[in-house]
Amino acid sequence: DGGITQSPKYLFRKEGQNVTLSCEQNLNHDAMYWYRQDPGQGLRLIYYSQIVNDFQKGDIAEGYSVSREKKESFPLTVTSAQKNPTAFYLCASSISPGKENSPLHFGNGTRLTVT
Amino acid sequence: SQQGEEDPQALSIQEGENATMNCSYKTSINNLQWYRQNSGRGLVHLILIRSNEREKHSGRLRVTLDTSKKSSSLLITASRAADTASYFCATASYYGNNRLAFGKGNQVVVIP
Repeated sequence: DGGITQSPKYLFRKEGQNVTLSCEQNLNHDAMYWYRQDPGQGLRLIYYSQIVNDFQKGDIAEGYSVSREKKESFPLTVTSAQKNPTAFYLCASSISPGKENSPLHFGNGTRLTVT
Repeated sequence: SQQGEEDPQALSIQEGENATMNCSYKTSINNLQWYRQNSGRGLVHLILIRSNEREKHSGRLRVTLDTSKKSSSLLITASRAADTASYFCATASYYGNNRLAFGKGNQVVVIP
């Protein structure tokens, strides 16, 4: 079955450590996205990539970094510069970047807790 | 960036009843989408309505779009316990490169 796989489901880190969240898709989608979800808030876009080896900052990119070396993979690194990293992180993909009427397919998220 | 914004509701209904939730937005859009999220899971796309459409159906779902009022509603008919989830609207705008802007979500609880 095609889909998006995020791993791990739960992640615990000490403050000051960088941590990388994995996102893999086998849907052959061009575009991939990282969102952050906090209680009582909607999804906020961190980074997105429309094509391999290219990515753009979203609305809350500070303290995060990404890479897109392969079409299938879009890992997110939460750096020590991110002031409030504890959150639920969601990865998504869509068929074509900027294509009108292209819905997002989501993974099941990674819950990151930093203490 | 523009935001879809649902009415801040936590809706609790009996199984078999209809559930209605609303979403408003601020700028012109290309389309509006509704997603469902079960607790601790990712979002699942439910339905998309284009800016030139006024109403769309998919199974027990009915979505309306009023571009003059910049608002949309999602109706779930004959609700089931399995409909218990959070529901998000998201808007796509040409000026935002069709990046989706999500609202804060409506939590719906269907009591068996």
